[in-house]
Amino acid sequence: AQSVTQLGSHVSVSEGALVLLRCNYSSSVPPYLFWYVQYPNQGLQLLLKYTTGATLVKGINGFEAEFKKSETSFHLTKPSAHMSDAAEYFCAVTREYGNKLVFGAGTILRVKS
Amino acid sequence: GAVVSQHPSRVICKSGTSVKIECRSLDFQATTMFWYRQFPKQSLMLMATSNEGSKATYEQGVEKDKFLINHASLTLSTLTVTSAHPEDSSFYICSAKQGGGEQFFGPGTRLTVL
Repeated sequence: AQSVTQLGSHVSVSEGALVLLRCNYSSSVPPYLFWYVQYPNQGLQLLLKYTTGATLVKGINGFEAEFKKSETSFHLTKPSAHMSDAAEYFCAVTREYGNKLVFGAGTILRVKS
Repeated sequence: GAVVSQHPSRVICKSGTSVKIECRSLDFQATTMFWYRQFPKQSLMLMATSNEGSKATYEQGVEKDKFLINHASLTLSTLTVTSAHPEDSSFYICSAKQGGGEQFFGPGTRLTVL
């Protein structure tokens, strides 16, 4: 079975500071990994995904994530936080691209001015 | 990216009534649609997977007779919550994909059962 652990249900950073949201996964097969962002009362928007190839993945809004197989991690980073980044972020894994996604519990990012 | 819509965006109903939520893929044919439920301050949990023209596959613990899913066309899937109760109040999100492609998510439907 697959699972996703997001360390820290809430993360608070100052505007302009580094954003680091942690995600660790477990999977018995090579995983496909995703980060989604959710604004209040809205659906999910894909930030970035890892399928195969380059382990450093760049996404929208300046976010990127690195797949580290040895650490079973897929942490999300952004060099400089913006107020508009305040939202909830979900890490997700699937073993078959396009099929059932298993989500982490989510991390609420707060950006302080 | 592809667009998925949901209707209604929010609905309030009385306990014991049934509510239908629609999920549409607007610019692609969705061979598969997924229905997720998100309780307050929790993550999304997959309820069921539906393939066009066939019966939905429900996740363990999800009552198929209570959550009726119909995927009658390549652009429309419906979720009907039958005899809704307050504990069914949640945020319901659908996603859709074409073939082996990625899932595109709808904006969600907030259901409140009084």
